[in-house]
Amino acid sequence: DAGVIQSPRHEVTEMGQEVTLRCKPISGHNSLFWYRQTMMRGLELLIYFNNNVPIDDSGMPEDRFSAKMPNASFSTLKIQPSEPRDSAVYFCASSGQSYMNTEAFFGQGTRLTVV
Amino acid sequence: GDSVTQMEGPVTLSEEAFLTINCTYTATGYPSLFWYVQYPGEGLQLLLKATKADDKGSNKGFEATYRKETTSFHLEKGSVQVSDSAVYFCALTPRGGADGLTFGKGTHLIIQP
Repeated sequence: DAGVIQSPRHEVTEMGQEVTLRCKPISGHNSLFWYRQTMMRGLELLIYFNNNVPIDDSGMPEDRFSAKMPNASFSTLKIQPSEPRDSAVYFCASSGQSYMNTEAFFGQGTRLTVV
Repeated sequence: GDSVTQMEGPVTLSEEAFLTINCTYTATGYPSLFWYVQYPGEGLQLLLKATKADDKGSNKGFEATYRKETTSFHLEKGSVQVSDSAVYFCALTPRGGADGLTFGKGTHLIIQP
């Protein structure tokens, strides 16, 4: 398996533009997680899905952020409109159990820069 | 809520030195505990884990023991190498819960030859 695949690896966009980050989890995994990493706040869990259903989005910073998982092999994280403070590395991770009591596999991340 | 506290560093050591990175946690119940490692420009990789009290996780010469009485999960290695230079994250997840991993802020480890 190729592991968790995220695209794009790097994204530079202007303030106010819409940004869509994509994630393909490992085949057979039924939990998917979106994290954001910044120097100031470290790693933050934004939202997670079990069996394609959003379970907890309390980590999503504000309404400008939204996430979907239309099927077991694809998820998106969208920011609309983007702001400079959204600049960070966004990680997607997947896990093979409904309850994350085991190893999570991380993608290589998308480095987002909003100018 | 749950939280993880770890020394932030950077921690700079010479090759072959002994390593300890402290990690303590706050959680209800009996969480599972993890150490992840992040190399430059990459995602996080699981280094080791422990799922119950007194369990010892180990991998690549690294070890950590789940200490419920002190709510700690310190990472140790007897002899570090330059290739161990990375950022190390302590994390937990509630047992039986589906809340995702809660991470510490990470410890940047620098090993000098």
